[in-house]
Amino acid sequence: HLQESGPGLVKPSETLSLNCNVSGVSFSSDSYYWAWIRQSPGKGLEWIGTIYYGGSTHYNPSLESRVTMFVDKSRNQFSLSLSSVAAADTGVYFCARRETNFGGSFDHWGQGTLVSVSS
Amino acid sequence: EVVLTQSPATLSLSPGERATLSCRASQSVSTDLAWYQQKPGQPPRLLIYNASNRATGIPARFSGSGSGTDFTLTISSLEPEDYAIYYCQQRSNWPPVFTFGPGTRVDLK
Repeated sequence: HLQESGPGLVKPSETLSLNCNVSGVSFSSDSYYWAWIRQSPGKGLEWIGTIYYGGSTHYNPSLESRVTMFVDKSRNQFSLSLSSVAAADTGVYFCARRETNFGGSFDHWGQGTLVSVSS
Repeated sequence: EVVLTQSPATLSLSPGERATLSCRASQSVSTDLAWYQQKPGQPPRLLIYNASNRATGIPARFSGSGSGTDFTLTISSLEPEDYAIYYCQQRSNWPPVFTFGPGTRVDLK
């Protein structure tokens, strides 16, 4: 089970911060990577980045300069920080799990949280 | 970056009919391609991974095929709960970059 949390409204130029709480599975398993994916009417589904429990990350090149992801193993949680947001960053943000046995797919998703960027 | 194109944009079919959805990649992705189903207000649901493997709990009427640049998702006989948007998604090997197609909407004829 994955559950996103964070503010639903962020002002332009500020930093968007979201958390994903993971329950029911071993957060520190070698088999899992953890991801943020967003969905907006204009850009469809867009992968933001992936993090391993050990902390290694891969980011979408188009967002890399503004994205930071990190894990908190003690809380079974991983987080997203997206800086200098603009209206184009408005959308539903999902956290998801990638299981290495299933190739490059994402087999479990949170319900998503709507983030609006507006003054 | 690998770009995925899906066709058709919309498929209008009746229950019991066969649905054939296409996904084309701008360069070869081998078989590292997945299919998802999404209904309004819900997250995407994994249907197929590695081009042709059904995910856990997915009915046998869903099947995937293809390799390289051309992939197909087939729903052999549409059930009422299958009306939704379907997305394909690929992973580039290195660096690992994931991209999604724009989706195909399957709606009731």
